[in-house]
Amino acid sequence: GNSVTQMEGPVTLSEEAFLTINCTYTATGYPSLFWYVQYPGEGLQLLLKATKADDKGSNKGFEATYRKETTSFHLEKGSVQVSDSAVYFCALSDSQAGTALIFGKGTTLSVSS
Amino acid sequence: GAVVSQHPSRVICKSGTSVKIECRSLDFQATTMFWYRQFPKQSLMLMATSNEGSKATYEQGVEKDKFLINHASLTLSTLTVTSAHPEDSSFYICSATQQGRARAYEQYFGPGTRLTVT
Repeated sequence: GNSVTQMEGPVTLSEEAFLTINCTYTATGYPSLFWYVQYPGEGLQLLLKATKADDKGSNKGFEATYRKETTSFHLEKGSVQVSDSAVYFCALSDSQAGTALIFGKGTTLSVSS
Repeated sequence: GAVVSQHPSRVICKSGTSVKIECRSLDFQATTMFWYRQFPKQSLMLMATSNEGSKATYEQGVEKDKFLINHASLTLSTLTVTSAHPEDSSFYICSATQQGRARAYEQYFGPGTRLTVT
């Protein structure tokens, strides 16, 4: 079945450091891929998405490229800020499954000044 | 816009009792709501999908008699954990979609409810 694997956390970085959070997936067909972010005390928010191979999703300085050949969707940011501290979830949806989302376990990012 | 709230944010109950969790869409009409649960260091797992005015559709392995879902209005869905046991302790999250917007990424999530059963 479909699944998402993302790197274990927590990830601890200093402000302005480069961030990578790895995400790989297993899916039949051609899923859409997403990154969600959850700030403390808030609901999950869509950070970025990519709906087909080679698409690059970007938002708030974060980027991720849909790599079909490596079944990956790694999240990157060139210079993190303290305000980026949150839990990040990689997810996919399979059109055959309708609107259901399949999530990874989440990666906690902590950025210190 | 598109805010979803959950109440309570945390609840502790004794084994054998029932607990109700509310999920509300505050500024939009939610034709579909989803309930997820998350165990520590595990993925969010979809439990059920509910459409306003109809019975919820449960995922395989989720006991519908234990996790009662009611979606009686376009702004409110409730999840009742009946006869709760310690293994039901988890983080429960709801999400909602607006009418006419049914793509997977068009879900708006609540902040979650931490249930602890003692």
